[in-house]
Amino acid sequence: AQTVTQSQPEMSVQEAETVTLSCTYDTSENNYYLFWYKQPPSRQMILVIRQEAYKQQNATENRFSVNFQKAAKSFSLKISDSQLGDTAMYFCAFMRYNNNDMRFGAGTRLTVKP
Amino acid sequence: GAGVSQSPSNKVTEKGKDVELRCDPISGHTALYWYRQRLGQGLEFLIYFQGNSAPDKSGLPSDRFSAERTGESVSTLTIQRTQQEDSAVYLCASSFQGSRGYTFGSGTRLTVV
Repeated sequence: AQTVTQSQPEMSVQEAETVTLSCTYDTSENNYYLFWYKQPPSRQMILVIRQEAYKQQNATENRFSVNFQKAAKSFSLKISDSQLGDTAMYFCAFMRYNNNDMRFGAGTRLTVKP
Repeated sequence: GAGVSQSPSNKVTEKGKDVELRCDPISGHTALYWYRQRLGQGLEFLIYFQGNSAPDKSGLPSDRFSAERTGESVSTLTIQRTQQEDSAVYLCASSFQGSRGYTFGSGTRLTVV
């Protein structure tokens, strides 16, 4: 079974600074997908960024980027120039290749302080 | 519709009553998923529908939980004889191609009193 671990239950960052959220996972698969989702107080889960395991290049989406270390099974999320609207729960998720079943970590609560 | 719609948004029920939660996925999305999220915790997989295939029910916590989906449309999650530990947000998501990520609804907050 695949497990996803987020070791930081809570984090905070000053507005405009950079923060990195950690995620590790356990799998014997070689091909898979990794995701970061954001859940603001509205409860709606929003896809932030996705990474395909067979791609070595780290995914980026504007202020969001990942550091994907396949050998270490690590998938951290870096948020640059943090904004107040980034305050939310962030969930790391894993999906096996050719399988639509996504498994989530326990989440990290991020607070951006003015 | 434009997004995944869930109803009701909030539901308060008495212990022992049955509840039905509804999910209306994005049109054309063949896959539909139900997750449970207890307060301050992560998402717990419940059940997954893919087209007309038999659903993956491996995450349902007990036989009080069941879900149905007609074709590639609306799904209902039913909880019978609700217990206080069933209190949680129930999230539904749909996808056309899961590897591109899911689209989630805003969830139903269920409170059992």
